[in-house]
Amino acid sequence: QPVLTQSSSASASLGSSVKLTCTLSSGHSSYIIAWHQQQPGKAPRYLMKLEGSGSYNKGSGVPDRFSGSSSGADRYLTISNLQSEDEADYYCETWDSNTHGFGGGTKLTVL
Amino acid sequence: QVQLQESGPGLVKPSQTLSLTCTVSGGSISSGSYYWSWIRQPAGKGLEWIGRISTSGSTNYNPSLKSRVTISVDTSKNQFSLKLSSVTAADTAVYYCARGLYGGGIDYWGQGTLVTVSS
Repeated sequence: QPVLTQSSSASASLGSSVKLTCTLSSGHSSYIIAWHQQQPGKAPRYLMKLEGSGSYNKGSGVPDRFSGSSSGADRYLTISNLQSEDEADYYCETWDSNTHGFGGGTKLTVL
Repeated sequence: QVQLQESGPGLVKPSQTLSLTCTVSGGSISSGSYYWSWIRQPAGKGLEWIGRISTSGSTNYNPSLKSRVTISVDTSKNQFSLKLSSVTAADTAVYYCARGLYGGGIDYWGQGTLVTVSS
């Protein structure tokens, strides 16, 4: 079963860009992941599915400011032109035929 | 657009069984392209996957919870359910139901329901 590792926190200024990282455990670098956003006090929201090739498919209504990319075992979520509403926890998720797993989440602060 | 709504008791006594139902609207739970999951989140902590069920009734559970978890589906009511037995205070959390697409992970979440385990 793959394990996902995320930094616990990140911060960036309003209007700038930030790149969040989710790292797959050894031997699982080809796995597809999904990114989810959880704003304070709300349920998580699906953002996108991201493949090892860097190809991604976003959920309905997800702004163009959100994009994904990949390098080896690392999966990235880039948020451009940061807005105050982007301050949230961001989780990556992966799965195989028998199980699912989530990263520990990154708390993003917009300064 | 599909919507999911959790329902069930907000307070459960220790050693009893937690029971929740998720009602799906805006789409059929019988679609073979999807599976249906339960995830929980203790206050201030991250997401923990509990398990999932396919429309055929095939289940997969988190190994750490497997001995206490049962997930079932009622296609006639467009609902699926969670039962967690022998609960303790450690099972206090917000419980989410969710839809997943085979090969694509979870793509829709319910709003969540808080379940507190206390006497």
